[in-house]
Amino acid sequence: EAQVTQNPRYLITVTGKKLTVTCSQNMNHEYMSWYRQDPGLGLRQIYYSMNVEVTDKGDVPEGYKVSRKEKRNFPLILESPSPNQTSLYFCASRGRMNEKLFFGSGTQLSVL
Amino acid sequence: RKEVEQDPGPFNVPEGATVAFNCTYSNSASQSFFWYRQDCRKEPKLLMSVYSSGNEDGRFTAQLNRASQYISLLIRDSKLSDSATYLCVAGYKLSFGAGTTVTVRA
Repeated sequence: EAQVTQNPRYLITVTGKKLTVTCSQNMNHEYMSWYRQDPGLGLRQIYYSMNVEVTDKGDVPEGYKVSRKEKRNFPLILESPSPNQTSLYFCASRGRMNEKLFFGSGTQLSVL
Repeated sequence: RKEVEQDPGPFNVPEGATVAFNCTYSNSASQSFFWYRQDCRKEPKLLMSVYSSGNEDGRFTAQLNRASQYISLLIRDSKLSDSATYLCVAGYKLSFGAGTTVTVRA
């Protein structure tokens, strides 16, 4: 089954403790992206990747890192999480330029 | 200026009504346009792509106006199950609007 898999689904952590949210897709998609969603603000893009080893900042990249060493994986890294990074995070991927985005199920992160 | 802006609503309509809302985009070079539906902070799901000539999918009609840089979504004969947040997406970076909330009441 074609899918984007995000883990974990829920995560509660404390300020400053490094964490990684994993994202994996099995559709051989070149494009992958991370979004965060906050009430009233919709989905805001954090980082995106057009292909392996090619990543670029989205609208809200501060405090986040990503890597794209393999086509299928695009982890989101928070080196020193802060409470303002408490949010709902979505990973997504797509094939060709005009094709739809496939989304993961989301990760609800709470930073205390 | 945000790349994509939407009227947040909420639109509260009775069953059977027609509801329409727009989304403006700032990048005139944008080529890809979509409408997504999101329920209760679950993952967004594609509702429909938006083509230059406009397109219809059952009760849903999407239009693109390049001159004024907006896309629209029209829902005819609203059902209770249409209650959701509708997100528009534009551009090669696939920027999302903040969403338009629609509530259909019995």
